[in-house]
Amino acid sequence: NAGVTQTPKFQVLKTGQSMTLQCAQDMNHEYMSWYRQDPGMGLRLIHYSVGAGITDQGEVPNGYNVSRSTTEDFPLRLLSAAPSQTSVYFCASSKGLASYNEQFFGPGTRLTVL
Amino acid sequence: SQELEQSPQSLIVQEGKNLTINCTSSKTLYGLYWYKQKYGEGLIFLMMLQKGGEEKSHEKITAKLDEKKQQSSLHITASQPSHAGIYLCGARGLLMNYGGSQGNLIFGKGTKLSVKP
Repeated sequence: NAGVTQTPKFQVLKTGQSMTLQCAQDMNHEYMSWYRQDPGMGLRLIHYSVGAGITDQGEVPNGYNVSRSTTEDFPLRLLSAAPSQTSVYFCASSKGLASYNEQFFGPGTRLTVL
Repeated sequence: SQELEQSPQSLIVQEGKNLTINCTSSKTLYGLYWYKQKYGEGLIFLMMLQKGGEEKSHEKITAKLDEKKQQSSLHITASQPSHAGIYLCGARGLLMNYGGSQGNLIFGKGTKLSVKP
C-alpha cells in the first residue's frame, strides 16, 4: 500500500491564483481530512469527509473547497489564493471515526502564496 | 471546543538524559495519539492510548494515559539525537455534525525537542 499520498510537495502561487492540492489513499478509508500547520498554531482542521459524497467544514474552512467523489480521493481547492494561506497542508485518513482508529498522514504540501 | 495543551513548548536536553512531555485536555479524552514530526516532514505515528491507565512503550519512548486527569505523558529514556523533532499529541474531538465520542483529531501545538550530542 502507498498509504496517503499528496501532490505537489511544494507550490508557489501568486495572490489570486487558484490551485488544487491532491490527496489519495489506497487503504479504503472512509474518513479523510485536511489540516494546515502554521508556526505556533499547531495543526488545524480545514475540511473533512466521512465518506464519498459527504464533506463538512472544520475549524478553518474559509478560502477552501473540497469534494469527495470517490473513497480514494479528497482534493482541496484554493479558489483565490491569499498570502494568509501560506502554510504546510496535510491530508489524513482513517478507517473510521472511532477513537481506536489510527489516523494516517500524507507527507504534506508546502504552499507559499506571494 | 476541546483544546490540548502541551508542555513544555520546547525542550533542550543533553544526550543520554531522560525527559517528559505532557499533554492535557480541556475535555474528556477519547483516545490519545502521539506523533513525531521532523522539520519539513510529515507526521510519524508513535502510539495510541485508549484506556485510562494504559501505558505503551516503543524502544525508549513510553506514553501513559491518565483519564481522570485528562492527561497523557510521553517519556523518553536516555535521549539520543535521533529523538529530536516536534512531538504532537492528538485527541479525538467532537465533529460539529457527528457528535459523540468519535470525531476528528484535535492537536496540541507541539513540543520541540532538541538533543545536544
